[in-house]
Amino acid sequence: DAGVIQSPRHEVTEMGQEVTLRCKPISGHNSLFWYRQTMMRGLELLIYFNNNVPIDDSGMPEDRFSAKMPNASFSTLKIQPSEPRDSAVYFCASGLDLNEQYFGPGTRLTVT
Amino acid sequence: AQSVAQPEDQVNVAEGNPLTVKCTYSVSGNPYLFWYVQYPNRGLQFLLKYITGDNLVKGSYGFEAEFNKSQTSFHLKKPSALVSDSALYFCAVRRNSGYSTLTFGKGTMLLVSP
Repeated sequence: DAGVIQSPRHEVTEMGQEVTLRCKPISGHNSLFWYRQTMMRGLELLIYFNNNVPIDDSGMPEDRFSAKMPNASFSTLKIQPSEPRDSAVYFCASGLDLNEQYFGPGTRLTVT
Repeated sequence: AQSVAQPEDQVNVAEGNPLTVKCTYSVSGNPYLFWYVQYPNRGLQFLLKYITGDNLVKGSYGFEAEFNKSQTSFHLKKPSALVSDSALYFCAVRRNSGYSTLTFGKGTMLLVSP
């Protein structure tokens, strides 16, 4: 198995632009998680999907952030408009229900 | 609410010596506990978990962890450290019943010197 796949690996954009991060979970996993990692705040859960349905989006920082999971093999996290404080590493993880999670390599986002 | 404390930002160990990375937790009810490792510019990798049963859990790369309910701790250990073990280690907890996502600690950087 290729593991969790994320794209792009690096994204540099200007403030105000739309950013879309993509994730392909491990086949057969029914749970998908989006996290954000920064030095100041550590690892934060943004949103959790189970069977393609958003279960918990309480960690989404504000309306500028949105996430979708149109099918079992694909999810997106969109930021519109982006701001410098959104600069972070964004991880996607998948698993079976709420058991151990398998993380992708992350997308390093820089907003200038 | 649930929480994880990793009291040490960094642990320094000489290669060949035993290592311990500390973790204490707070959760209502019984816990599910996890350790993850993160190498530079990589995602977190699952190391081991405690669900129930034997308090000593063995995981990947020779790591083990001991669950201590009375001390609410789940310390990560390895008998003989390798330079290649140098990485950032995260402890995580969730409640073992009902809906509960993982809460991660802040992480502990392990540096193993040759």
